Amino acid sequence: DAKTTQPPSMDCAEGRAANLPCNHSTISGNEYVYWYRQIHSQGPQYIIHGLKNNETNEMASLIITEDRKSSTLILPHATLRDTAVYYCIADTGRRALTFGSGTRLQVQP
Amino acid sequence: GAGVSQSPSNKVTEKGKDVELRCDPISGHTALYWYRQRLGQGLEFLIYFQGNSAPDKSGLPSDRFSAERTGESVSTLTIQRTQQEDSAVYLCASSLVQDRGYGYTFGSGTRLTVV
Repeated sequence: DAKTTQPPSMDCAEGRAANLPCNHSTISGNEYVYWYRQIHSQGPQYIIHGLKNNETNEMASLIITEDRKSSTLILPHATLRDTAVYYCIADTGRRALTFGSGTRLQVQP
Repeated sequence: GAGVSQSPSNKVTEKGKDVELRCDPISGHTALYWYRQRLGQGLEFLIYFQGNSAPDKSGLPSDRFSAERTGESVSTLTIQRTQQEDSAVYLCASSLVQDRGYGYTFGSGTRLTVV
C-alpha cells in the first residue's frame, strides 16, 4: 500500500466547503484512494473512494489529479457534525486497510 | 444484526490478567478485521480474517495476542498477561470481501484499561 501524507489539522467555517488534501505520490495503478472519517469516540466511517475519475456521492466529492499523485476530499457545506479525523488511504483493498494519522478537521461555528 | 457489535464496551483489568474481547460482524460479511487505537493515535492493524482462508496475523504485536473466528461468525480477540501498554480501544470491522476497501463497517469498540 502506498504511503499517504495529510496535514495533521485543518479548520473550516460552518457552511463553507472543506477541502482536505492528500498526497500519494507513490500510488500504483491498481491502488484505489479511499477516504474514511472518525468522529470522536466512534469507529471510522467510509466516505468515498476512487481509482482515476472524480467521484461524488451524498457525503462528499473526491477529486483525483490526472497523474494520481494527489487527491482532495471536498465536503461542500461543512457542518459542526463534520468535525472528525479524516483518513486518506491508498490501497488495492485486497488486504486490511492501513489507517495513518489522518487530518483532524475542526468545523468552526 | 444491523451493525457490528462489540462487547464489552468497557473493560478494566489488572495487569497480568487475561482478557477476551468479542466481535459480532454483520451477517453475511466474510471479512473481519481487528484494529487497536491508543489514545490520540491512529488505527493500528492487528489481524484479518477472510472466509476460510488462513488469517493475516501480521499486525499482532506479540505472542500474548491471539484471535479466533469460527466460520463467518463471531470473533474473539484474546490478550494474555495484559500490560499497561495494552490499554487502548480495540475496534472490529467487517465487510463483504468483494467490496474490498470501501465496505468496512466498524463497531463502537471495546475500551480496555489495564491498571
